[in-house]
Amino acid sequence: DTEVTQTPKHLVMGMTNKKSLKCEQHMGHRAMYWYKQKAKKPPELMFVYSYEKLSINESVPSRFSPECPNSSLLNLHLHALQPEDSALYLCASSPTEQSTDTQYFGPGTRLTVL
Amino acid sequence: GQSLEQPSEVTAVEGAIVQINCTYQTSGFYGLSWYQQHDGGAPTFLSYNALDGLEETGRFSSFLSRSDSYGYLLLQELQMKDSASYFCAVNTNAGKSTFGDGTTLTVKP
Repeated sequence: DTEVTQTPKHLVMGMTNKKSLKCEQHMGHRAMYWYKQKAKKPPELMFVYSYEKLSINESVPSRFSPECPNSSLLNLHLHALQPEDSALYLCASSPTEQSTDTQYFGPGTRLTVL
Repeated sequence: GQSLEQPSEVTAVEGAIVQINCTYQTSGFYGLSWYQQHDGGAPTFLSYNALDGLEETGRFSSFLSRSDSYGYLLLQELQMKDSASYFCAVNTNAGKSTFGDGTTLTVKP
């Protein structure tokens, strides 16, 4: 199994809603990432988990809350989002956090905040 | 911080060869990666260079010169399916990957 899966594929939510994005990999990777990508822009790193511990938070607003329940799962909890948070949210994994490792991306969740 | 520069658009015809350049400024440089992303899809890893020189993988090759802070992606025997965005990304010793703004490649018949 060499893929990263993400659910849901699409999500529409209001500014008062609470929702969660899910990511799963079964490659035995110990580093997992959340990226945000706006249209025609590059992916922007949000969070890095290494061995199930948060190692990097790129000054992301607290309305985004990551969680790593185990080595295969990564969640992103969303609360009180703004319309400008509408974007493609990509999850990725790599064998370790060492920078020589290839990152494998999931298909993303396309989020629309109304 | 990191900064990367790559051309915003490149156009070529089927069967041709195209080179996408990437220059970077960063501290703690480990290596340079290249990713392909089709419209509506996720980035897919293409290649990685940590040392100077050329890495070849089928129709795609990637080159790095650490002394010049420069690399390129070379695509040969272009096919219509190669139309996509191509991102260079610097990997640093901080465990981060920072992506360039991307190059949109259009392959014409």
